[in-house]
Amino acid sequence: DIQMTQSPSSLSASVGDRVTITCRASQDIGNDLAWFQKRPGKAPKSLIWNVSSLQSGVPSKFSGSRSGTDFTLTISSLQPEDFATYYCLRYNSGPRTFGQGTKVEIK
Amino acid sequence: QVQLVQSGTEVKKPGASVRVSCKTSGYTFTSYYITWVRQAPGQGLEWVGWISAYNGNTEYARKLQDRVTMTTDTSTSTAYMEVRSLRSDDTAVYYCAREAQRGPDYWGQGTLVTVSS
Repeated sequence: DIQMTQSPSSLSASVGDRVTITCRASQDIGNDLAWFQKRPGKAPKSLIWNVSSLQSGVPSKFSGSRSGTDFTLTISSLQPEDFATYYCLRYNSGPRTFGQGTKVEIK
Repeated sequence: QVQLVQSGTEVKKPGASVRVSCKTSGYTFTSYYITWVRQAPGQGLEWVGWISAYNGNTEYARKLQDRVTMTTDTSTSTAYMEVRSLRSDDTAVYYCAREAQRGPDYWGQGTLVTVSS
């Protein structure tokens, strides 16, 4: 199965900061990569699909990119509601695989 | 509007089975997959499997494929996930999500399944 290695596992940032989270696929997955936000006690929120396409209603401060098998989620200008855990997901064909998650904490 | 509403909290003993439902509305049920994901306490998100609401095709995570069955009832636009031979490490919040080209987009509220003797 394809593995998704996500880094860092956690990071501390301040309101207004720009943060970057990375997922590396163990083999080529094309553009079949999505990103999710997970807050404690809440259902996951879908942010991005197809590497860089925003889901409906998601603000443009979230963006995604790809370089080969490396995928990046960038959050510009962190706001208090953005402190959460973020997951990548390889989807669309075969078994889906989540990354291990990145917890974004307040510095 | 698109909604996925899951059944309530379950408490089961080891070895028992549990069935979680996911009732959908606001879209054409048979045009999408339903994906199931779980999160154990303090752990990350884990993909459990998916079912095509169009033709019933399924794919399950390798570690669960002998104990999980996903089904749909197109007459009520409801998806079901059954897990058999429950173990303590099946304790988790289980989520259903609608999935298609855009990946999982709309999610249910989650169902806590606790396995304890």
